[in-house]
Amino acid sequence: EAAVTQSPRSKVAVTGGKVTLSCHQTNNHDYMYWYRQDTGHGLRLIHYSYVADSTEKGDIPDGYKASRPSQENFSLILELASLSQTAVYFCASSEQLGRQNTLYFGAGTRLSVL
Amino acid sequence: GDSVTQMQGQVTLSEDDFLFINCTYSTTWYPTLFWYVQYPGEGPQLLLKVTTANNKGISRGFEATYDKRTTSFHLQKASVQESDSAVYYCVLGEGFASALTFGSGTKVIVLP
Repeated sequence: EAAVTQSPRSKVAVTGGKVTLSCHQTNNHDYMYWYRQDTGHGLRLIHYSYVADSTEKGDIPDGYKASRPSQENFSLILELASLSQTAVYFCASSEQLGRQNTLYFGAGTRLSVL
Repeated sequence: GDSVTQMQGQVTLSEDDFLFINCTYSTTWYPTLFWYVQYPGEGPQLLLKVTTANNKGISRGFEATYDKRTTSFHLQKASVQESDSAVYYCVLGEGFASALTFGSGTKVIVLP
């Protein structure tokens, strides 16, 4: 069965430290996404990618970098973690971009920055 | 810009109650509208999708209808069960080259 796997499932980081969240998909999808979930805000798009070695900014990219080394893998990088980046992060994949497409999500990574 | 608004942050019901969640949207496109559901400890998953062609979608006992005149999109279920406790997201799909836009979510709590 197709799947999106995120690691780690939870992480505690220190302010100013570097954090890398990883995502692996077996859907054979071209598009991958990173969303952030906060109470009252729903899910907001940070970065997405449609091909290896290329990433695009979403709605809230500041403070985040993304890396797509292969079709299957997509990472979210916080170079200098801040308290405001405490949230649950979801990775997703889809066959294509746009309104007809279903997103398949991972189970999320809960990040706490102290 | 394009947006989705869910005014109900939380809804608490008892089993067999009627569920109604409303959502309004704003877009210049002819949208596709989705409801995604997120169960505790899991990522969101597609519940159903409605396009301009059909105006209504049905899945797992849920029904969603959208009204182009009022730009509203609601989700309903005649008789909820405790297992329906989850967060429900109204989601807007716009053009062919745009990512989906999520509403803020409605947490549904169904008491036994």
